[in-house]
Amino acid sequence: NAGVTQTPKFQVLKTGQSMTLQCAQDMNHNSMYWYRQDPGMGLRLIYYSASEGTTDKGEVPNGYNVSRLNKREFSLRLESAAPSQTSVYFCASKRDRGLDEQFFGPGTRLTVL
Amino acid sequence: DAKTTQPNSMESNEEEPVHLPCNHSTISGTDYIHWYRQLPSQGPEYVIHGLTSNVNNRMASLAIAEDRKSSTLILHRATLRDAAVYYCILRDGAKGNKLTFGGGTRVLVKP
Repeated sequence: NAGVTQTPKFQVLKTGQSMTLQCAQDMNHNSMYWYRQDPGMGLRLIYYSASEGTTDKGEVPNGYNVSRLNKREFSLRLESAAPSQTSVYFCASKRDRGLDEQFFGPGTRLTVL
Repeated sequence: DAKTTQPNSMESNEEEPVHLPCNHSTISGTDYIHWYRQLPSQGPEYVIHGLTSNVNNRMASLAIAEDRKSSTLILHRATLRDAAVYYCILRDGAKGNKLTFGGGTRVLVKP
């Protein structure tokens, strides 16, 4: 099993450009999450999806949209990137609504100039 | 959401135990205590979790105070690979989907 995979690993954007971060998991997990981590800080939840077809806002959703394409894939879109969105983005998944552990991907390092 | 307080950093010598404290004085009855760690340039990984009783697994032990207002993660024999940021997180058992990360404790292991 590959676990949680994220693409791309690195990305540089100019202010105003758009892009989509891709996340996929092969563990048949129901819940998926997007976090961002700014330098020296803990992770903050952007959006999450408790099951296929549902999405909910987290702590810092402004400037982002998400799509739960199917059970495996959960994408994060920046429609008009801003320098404040420079961060490392982590995707995670969890088996169900209970207290199972979350499994994290390796992250996408995004720089917005 | 109930918050946790952890020291910013700790140092340990290799092959010695490491005790990482976490204060959570506003913990509620349905909050579980979770620990995750983040190795350099990686995503976080689960370490352990508990509710009231002490817990052991292959990675660590979790000691929970009787009043549940504090807990301690114990790494029994630190190795260089244990150098990471350790996060203590409270997760509401009634609505357990979200993790709220604080600043964590950066652990440095000296050879």
